[in-house]
Amino acid sequence: NAGVTQTPKFQVLKTGQSMTLQCAQDMNHNSMYWYRQDPGMGLRLIYYSASEGTTDKGEVPNGYNVSRLNKREFSLRLESAAPSQTSVYFCASSETPLGEKLFFGSGTQLSVL
Amino acid sequence: QKEVEQNSGPLSVPEGAIASLNCTYSDRGSQSFFWYRQYSGKSPELIMFIYSNGDKEDGRFTAQLNKASQYVSLLIRDSQPSDSATYLCAVDGAGSYQLTFGKGTKLSVIP
Repeated sequence: NAGVTQTPKFQVLKTGQSMTLQCAQDMNHNSMYWYRQDPGMGLRLIYYSASEGTTDKGEVPNGYNVSRLNKREFSLRLESAAPSQTSVYFCASSETPLGEKLFFGSGTQLSVL
Repeated sequence: QKEVEQNSGPLSVPEGAIASLNCTYSDRGSQSFFWYRQYSGKSPELIMFIYSNGDKEDGRFTAQLNKASQYVSLLIRDSQPSDSATYLCAVDGAGSYQLTFGKGTKLSVIP
């Protein structure tokens, strides 16, 4: 019973490099989310997918792209990483359409040098 | 811009005492309110939710909501050292798919 699985757990990038964060959930949830968490800033929504085939911007989408590959998987891509994207990234899924009761993955600690 | 405000703490309480965590929100249209617990280095975990004015109890936890005052709180009775964590208040966006999170209150329960 894995819940929400994120990979990788840690990543160091150089400025300008690209990478994709992977997320998969096995709870048959329709909605999936990507958040970032920075000290003193709280959790901020980057992108979300209310259902398979749809994606929408959250509060801080600039510099990111997402793909809802199927109902289970939702990936986050950084095309050209910047130091401002150094953060902890959490994927989450929700059993409710409005995304209130979130189940979070274990997080990815990303450092961009 | 929807805002959710929490005292960052740290809030220190002795073991066995009641811990009171507070949160105010700006959007009068919000209908759903959540408390997440986050241990250091871990992901947030939902512990309470409340939709109606008044109190909701679950074990040692009580969530209180006052929509007129735009205020939601979390009481932890008989606090234990294992309750030491950061508590995040989250509020829905009046029908949107986005929760707005507060910055969290760090609670420390002293043995």
